[in-house]
Formats: sequence, structure tokens, C-alpha cells
Amino acid sequence: EVQLVESGGGLVKPGGSLRLSCAASGFTFKTHSMNWVRQAPGKGLEWVSSISSTSSYIHYADSVRGRFTIFRDNAKNSLFLQMNSLKAEDTAIYYCARGSVPGSSPQMGYWGQGTLVSVSS
Amino acid sequence: QTVVTQEPSFSVSPGGTVTLTCGLTSGSVSFNSYACWYQQTPGQAPRTLIYSTNVRSAGVPDRFSGSILGSKAALTITGAQADDESDYYCVVYMPSGIWVFGGGTRLTVL
Repeated sequence: EVQLVESGGGLVKPGGSLRLSCAASGFTFKTHSMNWVRQAPGKGLEWVSSISSTSSYIHYADSVRGRFTIFRDNAKNSLFLQMNSLKAEDTAIYYCARGSVPGSSPQMGYWGQGTLVSVSS
Repeated sequence: QTVVTQEPSFSVSPGGTVTLTCGLTSGSVSFNSYACWYQQTPGQAPRTLIYSTNVRSAGVPDRFSGSILGSKAALTITGAQADDESDYYCVVYMPSGIWVFGGGTRLTVL
């Protein structure tokens, strides 16, 4: 069974930093691209960042580029999101979502349950 | 900046059929957009219904179907049930390698 478990959320002051983790199991992590998606309270879904299976290709939403860094550790089946210079508008539930394998259609299939990040003074 | 458009809200009668759409402010959604559809109820993580435009995710009933209608991706629900009352989101894959979500459609079954 595919499982994605996010952790690392919490309350942080504006300008602060936080690192989110996503522990993956039930599939061959190193062969799949991965994504972070967020949802602000009462709002819709917003794609944040994606990383290819070998970390060769990385993309960011304009809203986080230059402040957030996505990376992964395939040996530990883990995905990370380093968030710096946090702003109030970064307050959201952050989900990790499994992408696709190279050569197959892009998708975001399996999702974790999310971790809440609150940015407030 | 391309925006993905969805109907903000829709209503369907129990047993009825409804088609939700997902378009672009600039250009068309095609099979190469690999549109995905998600269902989300309050307090829950999104559930994948459709990926790659028209492929149902495992365990999703066949009354949910995806397609391209004109220049938009579409999600059709046939035989709507009370527990289909949810928010529905589409997401489109752009040639630049980024994903863009629509604003979501709140579906009411009444």
C-alpha cells in the first residue's frame, strides 16, 4: 500500500524557516517524481514544487521560488521542502504527492494527509 | 500567467448527470495537458479521481469519467449520489514542467 506521511509543520514567525519531510513507503520511491502541493485555509489547491526521480529536474511556483527548496533522499525514501523567509501567505496545509516514473504520463496520484504550517507573529 | 478555470459551483439532482469543466485563459486543454481531477471533502486530503485526462484511479467508480470537450478537460459524473457533494479540482500540466490547479468547483447534490 502506497503511503506518504508528511511531518515538520508547525507555528513559525514571519521571516522564519521550517523544513517539511515526507516519508514514502509501499512503492519504489527512487523511480518516481514527487511534488509538494499546499492549501491555504478555506482556499483551493496550489502546486508548490516538483522534483524528478534523480533530482535532475526541479520546478517551483513563482510564489515560492527563491525561498523554498525541494530535495529528496532516495536512500531514505524521503522528500523534503526547506522553507525560508516565510510569509503569512505561506500558511497552509502542505501535501506531498507522488508523481510519475520517467517515460510515463505526468500525474499526481497518491497524496499524503498533509502537515499544517502556520506563519504568524 | 496562464490561469486554469473551473465553474465555482454547480448543482445536480440525485441520480442526475453533471459535467464539470477545466479550461485555460490562454490556449486549450488537450490530451498533452494530462489533466487530473480530484475530489475533496472538508478536512480531508484530496482523492484522485482521474489522471491523464481520462484514466480512472484505482477504486474510483465508473460513473466518474474524464474527457476533452472542445478546448477543455471535463469530468462527468453520472448517477450523482449524495456523497458526491464535494469540492472538485482539476490540475493541468504545462509544457514548462509546472502544474497549475483550477480554483475548484463546489458541487451540491440536491
